[in-house]
Amino acid sequence: DGGITQSPKYLFRKEGQNVTLSCEQNLNHDAMYWYRQDPGQGLRLIYYSQIVNDFQKGDIAEGYSVSREKKESFPLTVTSAQKNPTAFYLCASSKGERQPQHFGDGTRLSIL
Amino acid sequence: SQQGEEDPQALSIQEGENATMNCSYKTSINNLQWYRQNSGRGLVHLILIRSNEREKHSGRLRVTLDTSKKSSSLLITASRAADTASYFCATDGSSNYKLTFGKGTLLTVNP
Repeated sequence: DGGITQSPKYLFRKEGQNVTLSCEQNLNHDAMYWYRQDPGQGLRLIYYSQIVNDFQKGDIAEGYSVSREKKESFPLTVTSAQKNPTAFYLCASSKGERQPQHFGDGTRLSIL
Repeated sequence: SQQGEEDPQALSIQEGENATMNCSYKTSINNLQWYRQNSGRGLVHLILIRSNEREKHSGRLRVTLDTSKKSSSLLITASRAADTASYFCATDGSSNYKLTFGKGTLLTVNP
């Protein structure tokens, strides 16, 4: 079945550490997205990529970095510069502009 | 600031009843989408309505859009316990790729 796979499901970060969240899709979608969700809140866009080797900052990109070297993969690195990283991180993809987005099941990041 | 705002924040109903959730937004849109999120899971796309459409149906779901009032509603008919979830509206605004999500309505359907 086609879909989006996020790993790991749970992740713990130590002070000063960078951590990378994985997102892989086999839907052959061009566009991919990373969102952050805090309790009782909607989703906020961190980064998005319309095509391989290209990505743009979303609304809350500070303290995060991404790469898009392959169509299927869009990993997110939460750097030590992100002072409040505890949240639920969701990856999504879409066929193209203004299309419905398909989501993975998220990674919950906590601070040790 | 967030584009879409859902109302109510929480809704509790009995199985078999209808559930109505509303979404208001601030700026002009091309599309409005509704998503469902079960606890601890990712979002699932339910329905997309274009700015030139007024109503759309999908199974037990009915979505309306009033661009003059900048509002949309999602009606779930004959609700089931499995409909228990958070429901979000998302608008695209002027960007081709960026969606802006509201804070959601938490729907609880009691058996």
